[in-house]
Amino acid sequence: QSALTQPPSASGSPGQSVTLSCAGSSSDVGGYNYVSWYQHHPGKAPKLVIYEVTKRPSGVPDRFSGSRSGNTASLTVSGLQAEDEAHYHCSSYAGNNNLVFGGGTKLTVL
Amino acid sequence: QVQLQESGPGLVKPSETLSLTCAVSGYSISRSYFWGWIRQPPGKGLEWIGSLFHGMSTYYNPSLKGRVTMSVDTSKNHFSLRLNSVTAADTGVYYCGRHSANMLASGVVNWGQGALVAVSS
Repeated sequence: QSALTQPPSASGSPGQSVTLSCAGSSSDVGGYNYVSWYQHHPGKAPKLVIYEVTKRPSGVPDRFSGSRSGNTASLTVSGLQAEDEAHYHCSSYAGNNNLVFGGGTKLTVL
Repeated sequence: QVQLQESGPGLVKPSETLSLTCAVSGYSISRSYFWGWIRQPPGKGLEWIGSLFHGMSTYYNPSLKGRVTMSVDTSKNHFSLRLNSVTAADTGVYYCGRHSANMLASGVVNWGQGALVAVSS
């Protein structure tokens, strides 16, 4: 069982926006500004799309945005495109030199 | 451009030791950054195994402590993972990666392609 809770699936139509959630606790998501999101296409290496809750690495489209409310972090993908269909994993620093991940959400573009 | 490549046996017997190596090119691992291992069991999410900062710090997932050891070989510019007393629950794809900063908390910005390891007799 993963430390962070993500819904197993989400979906949206091309052009729409979809928000993925990542629920944790005050000991991880809510306690540190170190939440990351990864996009993972089957058979490929994961790709960092958000770090430190809201920041985007160079080269990641601004259609990807991160936010947090309390102990729940969110990833919003705007203007959905076919290539956005993938698994999305969240992770958080959990103190005491520990990192935790969620179980991942499979995003389907309808 | 930093590139990472995992290598090691794809099949390990139960109770034996899983050993993987991550070869790094495009950056000297002795210079900076945290370097880590992450795995994904079949049908499950990612799990952090551990990360190290050469010459200073090595941190492991508490759930694996006692079974996991990470090390660095600067002469070959690679780092390694050893996981003892494996069971079927250790089956999965093992990734090595580079954190984006000199902090364990930073995201993993460069990843290897992954190595599939099965634990079976």
